[in-house]
Amino acid sequence: EDQVTQSPEALRLQEGESSSLNCSYTVSGLRGLFWYRQDPGKGPEFLFTLYSAGEEKEKERLKATLTKKESFLHITAPKPEDSATYLCAVRVDKIIFGKGTRLHILP
Amino acid sequence: EPEVTQTPSHQVTQMGQEVILRCVPISNHLYFYWYRQILGQKVEFLVSFYNNEISEKSEIFDDQFSVERPDGSNFTLKIRSTKLEDSAMYFCASSEEVNTEAFFGQGTRLTVV
Repeated sequence: EDQVTQSPEALRLQEGESSSLNCSYTVSGLRGLFWYRQDPGKGPEFLFTLYSAGEEKEKERLKATLTKKESFLHITAPKPEDSATYLCAVRVDKIIFGKGTRLHILP
Repeated sequence: EPEVTQTPSHQVTQMGQEVILRCVPISNHLYFYWYRQILGQKVEFLVSFYNNEISEKSEIFDDQFSVERPDGSNFTLKIRSTKLEDSAMYFCASSEEVNTEAFFGQGTRLTVV
């Protein structure tokens, strides 16, 4: 069965304290891995797409990486406005989401 | 910047009634999707739609649900005979190609009472 597991479930960081979120997957025939940000009561906001192991994408304080079994979302020197739930999703024949990591950045 | 728009933002309906959720996907996108998110749970795939027909559907998407693209811009999700457990946020999304990222709307919060 195709599965996407994100860890940790929740993470509290001080402003400026860098960390990484993990997304591990077991799927047959990965056709893409996506990272989204979701604010409360809102729709997922697209961040990155990764297609092959070794690929990296970067945007402001966020950097996403991909291996054959997992992806990491690295957040460098986060600010309070980076507080959100970060969702990982994989495309096989459909898009499967993980449960997300709730990130809270304390000022 | 192009975006997916959904209406209404909030819909309250009585159990047993039919509802139609509406979406306008991004104009040059060819693939359309509906997802739902029950409060506190993960985003779940319902159905994908391409070339005027369903391309994939989940086990959640049973005979109670249907989708339609009634014209060149709208994409709708109909839920017949709503149940309490249908209460959730429903998200519409669209993508340019089958393997590219999907862009999501802001959702319709459906409350069945």
